[in-house]
Amino acid sequence: KAGVTQTPRYLIKTRGQQVTLSCSPISGHRSVSWYQQTPGQGLQFLFEYFSETQRNKGNFPGRFSGRQFSNSRSEMNVSTLELGDSALYLCASSLVPEKLFFGSGTQLSVL
Amino acid sequence: KNEVEQSPQNLTAQEGEFITINCSYSVGISALHWLQQHPGGGIVSLFMLSSGKKKHGRLIATINIQEKHSSLHITASHPRDSAVYICAVGGSQGNLIFGKGTKLSVKP
Repeated sequence: KAGVTQTPRYLIKTRGQQVTLSCSPISGHRSVSWYQQTPGQGLQFLFEYFSETQRNKGNFPGRFSGRQFSNSRSEMNVSTLELGDSALYLCASSLVPEKLFFGSGTQLSVL
Repeated sequence: KNEVEQSPQNLTAQEGEFITINCSYSVGISALHWLQQHPGGGIVSLFMLSSGKKKHGRLIATINIQEKHSSLHITASHPRDSAVYICAVGGSQGNLIFGKGTKLSVKP
């Protein structure tokens, strides 16, 4: 059974640009959540989608957005990139709340 | 003060030792997760607890809701247990709040 797939694995952007990251959950998983990890702040929750609806949202500015498609694949978008957006972005999928399955993440560098 | 505090921040142990990592939280929670992150970033979900105790192999997780405290124990530690262990609590708004992690190094 394939795991959670995140693409791309690495990304380099410049300030002011926008970026879209993709997450394909494990087949059958309808919940997808996104996280930002930085050395200073650690892991922070971005948002969670379930059946194409945003169910929960963390404390991030509106430049961070996401969506989920009917096949449960999810994308997150960051507009007007800032240097501080450099981070590892992780997504996780779950069938039941007890068990999260994480992808390997997308390492975003903003120059 | 962080809503989720882990201790210790760093821990070095000899192979075979019994290890305890602690997590205290100050918010009301629906559940608590223990995660393991290996170098390179991959995260594995170890446990989700809402009460009592869970065991999986050499790992044991406990939670005391009244004291707002959880512990992760590793028995007969092994170098392959070397990783960062992260506690995360499910907040009232359905989000997850993470601790800063405990970096464990087990020496052979």
